Amino acid sequence: ELKVEQNPLFLSMQEGKNYTIYCNYSTTSDRLYWYRQDPGKSLESLFVLLSNGAVKQEGRLMASLDTKARLSTLHITAAVHDLSATYFCAVDTGRRALTFGSGTRLQVQP
Amino acid sequence: DTEVTQTPKHLVMGMTNKKSLKCEQHMGHRAMYWYKQKAKKPPELMFVYSYEKLSINESVPSRFSPECPNSSLLNLHLHALQPEDSALYLCASSQDLGGTGELFFGEGSRLTVL
Repeated sequence: ELKVEQNPLFLSMQEGKNYTIYCNYSTTSDRLYWYRQDPGKSLESLFVLLSNGAVKQEGRLMASLDTKARLSTLHITAAVHDLSATYFCAVDTGRRALTFGSGTRLQVQP
Repeated sequence: DTEVTQTPKHLVMGMTNKKSLKCEQHMGHRAMYWYKQKAKKPPELMFVYSYEKLSINESVPSRFSPECPNSSLLNLHLHALQPEDSALYLCASSQDLGGTGELFFGEGSRLTVL
């Protein structure tokens, strides 16, 4: 059974600081997704990482994938309050059957 | 148009009721999904449809009955639900089961079972 572990589960950080969210998974997969979810809202797609070594950046967020280590990271640079949300990684177990991590609730304090 | 539209947004039903959730997309996607998300938990896959055929059923109880009448529409029929079925039900679509595989999620239908 695939396990997807995210850490930390909760992150409180100050504006302007940098931090990294980690996503480990237990079985081979070459597709990993990052989503953002605001309270009471749906999932917003942030990144789709399709191969080993893939790195994608959008604004203050950068995601990477190491399929050999079964690890993906979501790096936040110079956090701002608008980034406060829950971030999920999700691993494709085949045929788009995504297994989600537990989520990281990010709170950016002014 | 990158929209997945779900109706209703909110639904309250009793345990003896029959209701349906509806999901629509006009992106020409051929794969559609139902996920269930309980409060403060990650989404969990329920069903996957590909080219209007059921591809994956994640051992979902029969009180949930999916239907894909055409490539743009996905329904979830609900009957004799339990209070523990209260959750946010998310529909998603993707181009197909191959390719880059980006899933687009709808806003969800929030279900309360009394």
